[in-house]
Amino acid sequence: ETGVTQSPTHLIKTRGQQVTLRCSSQSGHNTVSWYQQALGQGPQFIFQYYREEENGRGNFPPRFSGLQFPNYSSELNVNALELDDSALYLCASREAGDTQYFGPGTRLTVL
Amino acid sequence: EDQVTQSPEALRLQEGESSSLNCSYTVSGLRGLFWYRQDPGKGPEFLFTLYSAGEEKEKERLKATLTKKESFLHITAPKPEDSATYLCAVLSHGSGNTGKLIFGQGTTLQVKP
Repeated sequence: ETGVTQSPTHLIKTRGQQVTLRCSSQSGHNTVSWYQQALGQGPQFIFQYYREEENGRGNFPPRFSGLQFPNYSSELNVNALELDDSALYLCASREAGDTQYFGPGTRLTVL
Repeated sequence: EDQVTQSPEALRLQEGESSSLNCSYTVSGLRGLFWYRQDPGKGPEFLFTLYSAGEEKEKERLKATLTKKESFLHITAPKPEDSATYLCAVLSHGSGNTGKLIFGQGTTLQVKP
C-alpha cells in the first residue's frame, strides 16, 4: 500500500464531455504527477504540481489541466474528451526524493 | 530525446527458471533509473531506484543492476506470483525537478507452475 488513492475506479464518458479525476497523496508528499497509460504501453507524463503550482508538463494539449490543494489532494481535468483519451490515468506522489509512488489508477473509457 | 526500450516484450518461464529483463536507455544525463511492477488494471508498484553505474539492489527474488547504457532485472527461481508487467523508467537531469519519468513499454512476465 502506497497511501495514494484515486477516484473513481472506472468512468465512462461520451466524446466531447468533460471529466474530473481525483487523487489523494500520502501526508507530507507535496509533489504530485499525473500520467496517462494506454493499453499495452508504458505511462506517459502529463504534468507535475508542486505546492499548488504546475512546474512541469509533457506533450499534452491545454485541455488537460490540473489542480493541487493544500490537503495533499489533486485533480486532473480533461475537457472536450476524444476517443483517444481512453486510458488508465495514474497519479504519483513523492516527498523530497525522486522516487514516485503510484495510486491504483482510474480507468476512463470514452465512447 | 530521452528514450527507454525494454526487452523482451513478453517472457514465459517455468517456475524456478531464472532469467533477466533488459532496459536500454538513452538520456541526457541520468538522474535515476526506476523499476516498477504492475499487475493488470492496477497502478505501478515501486521496486528499485538506481543512481549510478555499478549499483545493485536486491529484494527477495529480484536483483536490479545498472550500467551506463542499460539496466537488468534478474529474477532468480521465479514463482507464479511473480507474473506481472515490469516497467523501467528514467529521470534525467534535464528534467530538473519536473519529475518527468520516461517509461519503457514494459516486459510482461508469465511464470508457469
